[in-house]
Amino acid sequence: DAKTTQPTSMDCAEGRAANLPCNHSTISGNEYVYWYRQIHSQGPQYIIHGLKNNETNEMASLIITEDRKSSTLILPHATLRDTAVYYCIVRAPPDSNYQLIWGAGTKLIIKP
Amino acid sequence: NAGVTQTPKFRVLKTGQSMTLLCAQDMNHEYMYWYRQDPGMGLRLIHYSVGEGTTAKGEVPDGYNVSRLKKQNFLLGLESAAPSQTSVYFCASSYGTGVYGYTFGSGTRLTVV
Repeated sequence: DAKTTQPTSMDCAEGRAANLPCNHSTISGNEYVYWYRQIHSQGPQYIIHGLKNNETNEMASLIITEDRKSSTLILPHATLRDTAVYYCIVRAPPDSNYQLIWGAGTKLIIKP
Repeated sequence: NAGVTQTPKFRVLKTGQSMTLLCAQDMNHEYMYWYRQDPGMGLRLIHYSVGEGTTAKGEVPDGYNVSRLKKQNFLLGLESAAPSQTSVYFCASSYGTGVYGYTFGSGTRLTVV
C-alpha cells in the first residue's frame, strides 16, 4: 500500500472551512483514499473515502487531484467538536490486503 | 445499536500475568480486527479475522493470540504480559474489506507493570 504524508498539525477558526491536505504520490491505480479521525483517545471514526472522483457526505468532502497524487479533506463549517487527529490512508480494494497502514495523522485544532 | 463494544475499558497487569480482551459487535460484520496504539502513533494491526473460525496475523502479532468462535465476538489474549504491551487496544469490524468503512470500539487502556 502507498504511504501518505500529512502535516503534523493545523489550526482553523470555528465556523470556517478546514482543509486538510494529504500527499500520496506513490498511489496505485486501484488504491482508494480513506479518511478517519480520532477524537481524544476515542476509537477512530470513518469519515469518507474515494478513488478518483470527488466525494461528499454529511461529514465532509474529499477532493482528489486528477493525477491522484494528493487529496484534501474539507470540513465545510468546522466546530470545536471537530478538534481531532485526522488520518489519511490509501489502500487497495478487497482481497489484496487487509491492513490499513496508519501514519501519525494531522492534529487539527479548531479555535473559537 | 451498540456497534462495537470492548471490555474491559481499563486494566493494570503485572508482568507475566495473562488476560483476555473481549470485542463484541452487533452489526453482523464478517471482518474483525485488533489494533494497538502507542502514544503519538497511528494504529498497528495485531490480528484480524475474515469470518467465524478464522484468524490471521497482522503487523505486530507476537505475544498475542486471538479467537473467533462466534461471528459477533473476537477475543485478544495476552499469555504472559510484558511492559512493552502497555498500550491502548482498539477493536474494529467491517462489513467487508477495502471500500467499506471500519467501525471501532472505544478502546481498552492496558498498563503492564
